[in-house]
Amino acid sequence: DTEVTQTPKHLVMGMTNKKSLKCEQHMGHRAMYWYKQKAKKPPELMFVYSYEKLSINESVPSRFSPECPNSSLLNLHLHALQPEDSALYLCASSHPSGSVNEQFFGPGTRLTVL
Amino acid sequence: DQQVKQNSPSLSVQEGRISILNCDYTNSMFDYFLWYKKYPAEGPTFLISISSIKDKNEDGRFTVFLNKSAKHLSLHIVPSQPGDSAVYFCAASGDGNAGNMLTFGGGTRLMVKP
Repeated sequence: DTEVTQTPKHLVMGMTNKKSLKCEQHMGHRAMYWYKQKAKKPPELMFVYSYEKLSINESVPSRFSPECPNSSLLNLHLHALQPEDSALYLCASSHPSGSVNEQFFGPGTRLTVL
Repeated sequence: DQQVKQNSPSLSVQEGRISILNCDYTNSMFDYFLWYKKYPAEGPTFLISISSIKDKNEDGRFTVFLNKSAKHLSLHIVPSQPGDSAVYFCAASGDGNAGNMLTFGGGTRLMVKP
């Protein structure tokens, strides 16, 4: 299995809602990532988990809360988002160490905040 | 300041000809470089990579060249096919990055005309 899966594919939520994005991989990768991508821009790193521990938080607002329940799963909990948070949210995974760092991306969740 | 730059936002090539996508970087600590291909509404797909100890890596129709002294890399696609039409992102990683971060360029949209 060489796939990163993400659910849901699309999500529309109001500014007062609480929702979660889910990511799963079964490649034995011990590093997992959340990225945000706006139209015509490169992916922007949000969080990195290494061996199920949060290792990097790129100054992301607290309305985004990541969680890594186990080595295969990564969640992103959303609460009180703003319309400018609308974007494609990408999950990725890789081996956690060394300079060989091919990250494998999921298809993304297209989030719209009304 | 952008550490990885793709100065051509778009490139149009005739089917069967060579496509050359360019990428420049400023951080001399980068030691591993990757190219990703992205279709609309999908996650980036890893294409090819190169370590800084090499100056060329080839995989089928795709070849990446690295010129460390010029801090420049390029992706050659030959022959180009209409299915290659996508946005191509150059990315870099290395000891200069904390954790397992990839730094992405802004992307180049390749259009291959039949």
